Amino acid sequence: DAKTTQPTSMDCAEGRAANLPCNHSTISGNEYVYWYRQIHSQGPQYIIHGLKNNETNEMASLIITEDRKSSTLILPHATLRDTAVYYCIVRVEMKTSYDKVIFGPGTSLSVIP
Amino acid sequence: KAGVTQTPRYLIKTRGQQVTLSCSPISGHRSVSWYQQTPGQGLQFLFEYFSETQRNKGNFPGRFSGRQFSNSRSEMNVSTLELGDSALYLCASSLGGGDYYEQYFGPGTRLTVT
Repeated sequence: DAKTTQPTSMDCAEGRAANLPCNHSTISGNEYVYWYRQIHSQGPQYIIHGLKNNETNEMASLIITEDRKSSTLILPHATLRDTAVYYCIVRVEMKTSYDKVIFGPGTSLSVIP
Repeated sequence: KAGVTQTPRYLIKTRGQQVTLSCSPISGHRSVSWYQQTPGQGLQFLFEYFSETQRNKGNFPGRFSGRQFSNSRSEMNVSTLELGDSALYLCASSLGGGDYYEQYFGPGTRLTVT
């Protein structure tokens, strides 16, 4: 079972900010939120990650709510090349001490010219 | 720095055969993870190796196995192939050894089982 929920799909106009939400209401205190994206026929690409504070890099910004139950990935100026499936994941700890990395179905973002 | 490489890129096998896929991580990366991606199930975690030891494991049958060599290169083996094993198999490497899961993925091996 995925530990995150995301909208199935979203559209965004080229040049506008794309805001992709993710719910992770059962996240525990030491789990990070990671975002990846997968452009068709390629392997997933790391975008950004965070624990509590908001983060920004050259690709995107990550806003995490104070209660850490949700986050938003922001692509400030979406381009056609940003059309991809975006995955929000958290690292899940299991009783057996094995970690199980779970990718949900992600959000299919379409950037419209 | 060279990225993650996977060989072969495409493979066609018949049911009952076995297959070995190879992954070369980014230089200096010690952790290698394997994933299976299908249209119906999405991206599913198979296992992770770190310093030649399997550290994490997903919910796949024992037909799926792997190993990691001293140079961090990894191989994944699937025995007694079934039609449902047709998928894109992705390898990802990371520095490992900490809490970070900043993984870098390879282009994948597309396996078709007929």
